[in-house]
Formats: sequence, structure tokens, C-alpha cells
Amino acid sequence: AQKVTQAQTEISVVEKEDVTLDCVYETRDTTYYLFWYKQPPSGELVFLIRRNSFDEQNEISGRYSWNFQKSTSSFNFTITASQVVDSAVYFCALRGTISGGYNKLIFGAGTRLAVHP
Amino acid sequence: DAGVIQSPRHEVTEMGQEVTLRCKPISGHNSLFWYRQTMMRGLELLIYFNNNVPIDDSGMPEDRFSAKMPNASFSTLKIQPSEPRDSAVYFCASSSTQEAVSYEQYFGPGTRLTVT
Repeated sequence: AQKVTQAQTEISVVEKEDVTLDCVYETRDTTYYLFWYKQPPSGELVFLIRRNSFDEQNEISGRYSWNFQKSTSSFNFTITASQVVDSAVYFCALRGTISGGYNKLIFGAGTRLAVHP
Repeated sequence: DAGVIQSPRHEVTEMGQEVTLRCKPISGHNSLFWYRQTMMRGLELLIYFNNNVPIDDSGMPEDRFSAKMPNASFSTLKIQPSEPRDSAVYFCASSSTQEAVSYEQYFGPGTRLTVT
């Protein structure tokens, strides 16, 4: 079975703090893809990053960085120097290639991040 | 480039009425997905089309829900008759699938459905 766990339901930080959102996944597939999406208060879901299971290099994009560790089945997301505009619900998602169908995204429950001025 | 387009953005209807939600995927994308988001159940995949053909409809709640994709640029999700428990935000997403592998899905703005 495939599963994504985002244990942090809500996180509250003050602007300029660094914050890490945790994501732990389960899958029996050897090839799989992990994603992060952002859902701001306006409601749309915005794609942030895709990582495949063969690429464990960490990725940095501006203030955003992602740490993928297959050994712990984790794909954590860090925002450096958080800003109020980062306030949103963040979803981690998993897509396998065999179990669960080729294209089915399994979403975590989401982590609500509130950044206060 | 235009993203995924959904209409209407908001729909309020009375129980028992028919509701039709519409989606136009990103041009060139050949996979389309309908999701439902509620506080209680989070994001749920309802149905997935590839090249206009329904591939996985195991998430469709019951016979009151139906979805069609008559061509590559249009899909509908219909609820008939609607019930208050259908109140949710319905998202449409599309992606490009090559050799049975598709990558990131791009979501539309959603339709907020309220059934009274």
C-alpha cells in the first residue's frame, strides 16, 4: 500500500524564522515520484517540486529547499527566512509506477503553515 | 500559457438538483483528473482520464456521480441528484503522459460547491 504521512498538522512561526515541513512516505515500488504542492488561502493548488526515487540530491530554489532521504523514506521541505506570503497549506504527495496505478497521486493530509509578522 | 480552467468557480444549489462542473485542461496535456477536497477527507481522486478514456473511476463515490471527457479539451463532472454531503471543493488537474508515465499534475482553481 502507498501512504504519505505529514505528522505536523499546523505550524506557526514568526517571519524570518526557518521552518521544516516533514513528509514520510510508504511504497513498495522501486520507482516512484514525490511532489510538494502549496495551497494558499486563495485555494488553488500550486505545484512546487517533483523528485524521482533515483535522484537523492537535495534541491534548492531560492528560499525553498528539499531533503530527500530514501533510507528514512522522507522528503522534507524547508523554507528559509519565512515570509507572510508563505502562509499556506503544504501537501506532500507520492506517485508510484506499479502499485496504486501509474498516475494516481496519494496526498498527505497537509501541513498548515502560518507565518506571522 | 493558460492553466487549467474550471467553471463555475462557485455553485450553490438545492438538494436534489443536478450539478455540472466543467474543466478545460492545459493544451497538449493528455491526462485529466477530478479531485474532491473536504476538511474531513482531504484530497480524494475521483476519476482519471488518459487520452479521453476513463482509466480509474474507483474514487467516484456512487452512481450519482458521473464524468465524461468527450474530447481532449473538455471534461464534465456531473452530480445528479446532489446532496448536502457533496458540498466540497472540486478540483480538475491535468498532466502530460508519455509512455504510461505522467509527471506533475497542474490544478485548476477549483469549484466550490455548496448543496443546501
